[in-house]
Order: sequence, then structure tokens, then C-alpha cells
Amino acid sequence: DTAVSQTPKYLVTQMGNDKSIKCEQNLGHDTMYWYKQDSKKFLKIMFSYNNKELIINETVPNRFSPKSPDKAHLNLHINSLELGDSAVYFCASSPPGLAASGTQYFGPGTRLLVL
Amino acid sequence: EDQVTQSPEALRLQEGESSSLNCSYTVSGLRGLFWYRQDPGKGPEFLFTLYSAGEEKEKERLKATLTKKESFLHITAPKPEDSATYLCAVLHTGFQKLVFGTGTRLLVSP
Repeated sequence: DTAVSQTPKYLVTQMGNDKSIKCEQNLGHDTMYWYKQDSKKFLKIMFSYNNKELIINETVPNRFSPKSPDKAHLNLHINSLELGDSAVYFCASSPPGLAASGTQYFGPGTRLLVL
Repeated sequence: EDQVTQSPEALRLQEGESSSLNCSYTVSGLRGLFWYRQDPGKGPEFLFTLYSAGEEKEKERLKATLTKKESFLHITAPKPEDSATYLCAVLHTGFQKLVFGTGTRLLVSP
């Protein structure tokens, strides 16, 4: 009964490949997020979706494309992977409302290593 | 641009040795300040929300306080299981996104 789940947990791939990360939440939340945490543990938002609609799109290369098939799922597809994409990617969700949007529930993370 | 700075970067305490972590912020229109705990290899876990200066929240050995420029996370008589990275984040009035600080790595030795 995991609240926010991500697959895969680990991803090792070659430069230039395309890969996807999947996220699912069973909390009934409307808003979902993708974050990138670099080697210095800095956590930065990439995208946010509210009820399948993109609401936040930070300065992220367009090789990264999120997709939300329904409000419980948010996937991240990455084209032409580069060395600098190596990081931990976290999915999160939050209850409705602007004030509540800071109370986020994070998944376990996907550790991406690009060789 | 919103900025969040946490100090110290790392803190080592003996079990029972109380201390405080600092989170300084610069944001035009604070909607809320949030504290999270992150254990190695896991996602951040929500701890507290503070909305206005003077507000305090407590949970077990942790107490978070907020002023107009900074927040403190006070840890009273910490135990080894309190060892983790503590992250603070701010929510801007106009934007539905959290801006995180770089965290404080806390290690509590028995």
C-alpha cells in the first residue's frame, strides 16, 4: 500500500539512449511533481501537473518530456541521455489547494546513471 | 528570485546534545515554510508547515520556529535515529512550487 511509487528504482544506461521513469500515487491527490536531486543533494523541481494539466515547467531541456495519462500517474521520458542527467529523480504528489501544495509526499526515487 | 540557505551544512552531535538548524530565506510573498527529513536512499518526508512569523510547531524532539527572515529547527536531546538530512523549503504566494535549501546533514552519535 505504498503511497507514491516509482519504477525503476535504479537505471544504468549509455549516453544517447532514451529511457522512461514511471510514477503512481494512490493518495487521491490532484497534483504531481518531478524533481531532480543532484550529487550535492540539491532538490529542484522540474515539472508539475494538476489533474493531468501541466502547470509548472521549469527551465529543463526539451529532451525531458513528462506525461500524465490520468491524475494518479505521471511519467518522465528522457531522450538522448547525457552524462549530466545522472541524478536521483523523485516523483511527489500533494493535496489540492495552494497552501497544501507545500505538503508533498515523495516517492523513493529513481537513481539514474548515464555512462 | 527566491533563495533558501541552510546552515550548517553538516552537524555532528552526541546523543542528548541539543542544537538548532537554521534556514534563511528570501522570498517576496511567503505562502509557507516547510521542513522535510530525508534518510539516505529515500525520498524526503514532510515534517512541518509554518505560515507566519511567530508560529511554532512541535513533534517529538523537534520544534520548528519562524521569523520574517529565517526558520529554526530545534532538536532537543537527539537520538541516533534523528540522524538524517533536514531540508527546508519555501512556497511562494504566486507559484505552486517549493524552492528547497541544500539541507543540513545531521549525525547523532550514541
